[in-house]
Amino acid sequence: DAGVTQSPTHLIKTRGQHVTLRCSPISGHKSVSWYQQVLGQGPQFIFQYYEKEERGRGNFPDRFSARQFPNYSSELNVNALLLGDSALYLCASGNSYDSYTDTQYFGPGTRLTVL
Amino acid sequence: LAKTTQPISMDSYEGQEVNITCSHNNIATNDYITWYQQFPSQGPRFIIQGYKTKVTNEVASLFIPADRKSSTLSLPRVSLSDTAVYYCLVGGVYNQGGKLIFGQGTELSVKP
Repeated sequence: DAGVTQSPTHLIKTRGQHVTLRCSPISGHKSVSWYQQVLGQGPQFIFQYYEKEERGRGNFPDRFSARQFPNYSSELNVNALLLGDSALYLCASGNSYDSYTDTQYFGPGTRLTVL
Repeated sequence: LAKTTQPISMDSYEGQEVNITCSHNNIATNDYITWYQQFPSQGPRFIIQGYKTKVTNEVASLFIPADRKSSTLSLPRVSLSDTAVYYCLVGGVYNQGGKLIFGQGTELSVKP
């Protein structure tokens, strides 16, 4: 079975541009979460979607948005890119959004570099 | 939200047992303790999860004392491939708006 997949693997953008990152969860998983990981730090939660509805939002500006499609894949959009948005963007999938013991499975991430 | 404290880094040698302790003094009654492993430029990987006492799987053991204010991840006979960052997470996982809260983690370096 395929794990969580993310595209693209790497991306280089310039300040002010827009970027769209994509994620496909494990087959059967309905929850997708997005995380930002800056070099040297742990991942920081951005969004969680379950059954196409937003179930959680982290402390990120409105330049960050996301959505989940009927097939449970998801997109993360970032507008007006800043140098500080350079990071590894991780997608995680799970079975539910409110289970204490639901394991999150992470994808390999998209490395975004903003110049 | 329960905050975790763990050593920034640890060194070990191949074949040794490694124990990484995490402090979580304000853990809530319903909170679970979860450990993730992360290699450079990869997503975190679930290692083990527990609520109390001891949990063991094919990769690691997790020891949780009765007061649950700390936990210890035990990696038996580490190899070079165990060099990674290990994160201790505490929470109902999904009683926090659906988010996992990662700290800085412990960077484990295994030497030959």
